[in-house]
Amino acid sequence: GESVGLHLPTLSVQEGDNSIINCAYSNSASDYFIWYKQESGKGPQFIIDIRSNMDKRQGQRVTVLLNKTVKHLSLQIAATQPGDSAVYFCAETQGYQKVTFGIGTKLQVIP
Amino acid sequence: GAVVSQHPSRVICKSGTSVKIECRSLDFQATTMFWYRQFPKKSLMLMATSNEGSKATYEQGVEKDKFLINHASLTLSTLTVTSAHPEDSSFYICSARDLRGEAKNIQYFGAGTRLSVL
Repeated sequence: GESVGLHLPTLSVQEGDNSIINCAYSNSASDYFIWYKQESGKGPQFIIDIRSNMDKRQGQRVTVLLNKTVKHLSLQIAATQPGDSAVYFCAETQGYQKVTFGIGTKLQVIP
Repeated sequence: GAVVSQHPSRVICKSGTSVKIECRSLDFQATTMFWYRQFPKKSLMLMATSNEGSKATYEQGVEKDKFLINHASLTLSTLTVTSAHPEDSSFYICSARDLRGEAKNIQYFGAGTRLSVL
């Protein structure tokens, strides 16, 4: 499944499928990007980051893709599990300035 | 990753009272901490940047006298919601930036404080 847009969309994915969460960032000068996962009633948890001199970075079951031309960031989750259900936020920053968070995407995993 | 502890996790108070929320970096020193407010199904809104040993930097529209921030040590920042009213009810989250290592711009978050003002 895949989500697009600046609203707060809900992405429903079957357990075991791959998920793609998209984010359009605003500042072309941003040089560092982070994905956070927030479970209900908890604080955001760091997932993966990427610098602007890269276009892809892989972690365990997660991959972040960066397209600076169109100011687009995506988070791919392989073999989505029920524990992946949460709201996912992208965040951007320039240097050590304050971090700006995107609106977020709610991921629902269907068992 | 670095650990940030936030306390209390939930507080219910009467209108007009003041509430203090603590944010601690447990395994690292944080010269800078951040306070966010989050409304249901919304993103995090930065309220202020807390600087150890100096005054906090508030975002536009955030009342300094309403939301008092103190960052007296390298591991503790506090947010006091003064004379709380029902419209102050929200989820407040703190974060701290761990400057160790390469990923110096990662903010690590506390678990959040759910404030309900009656």
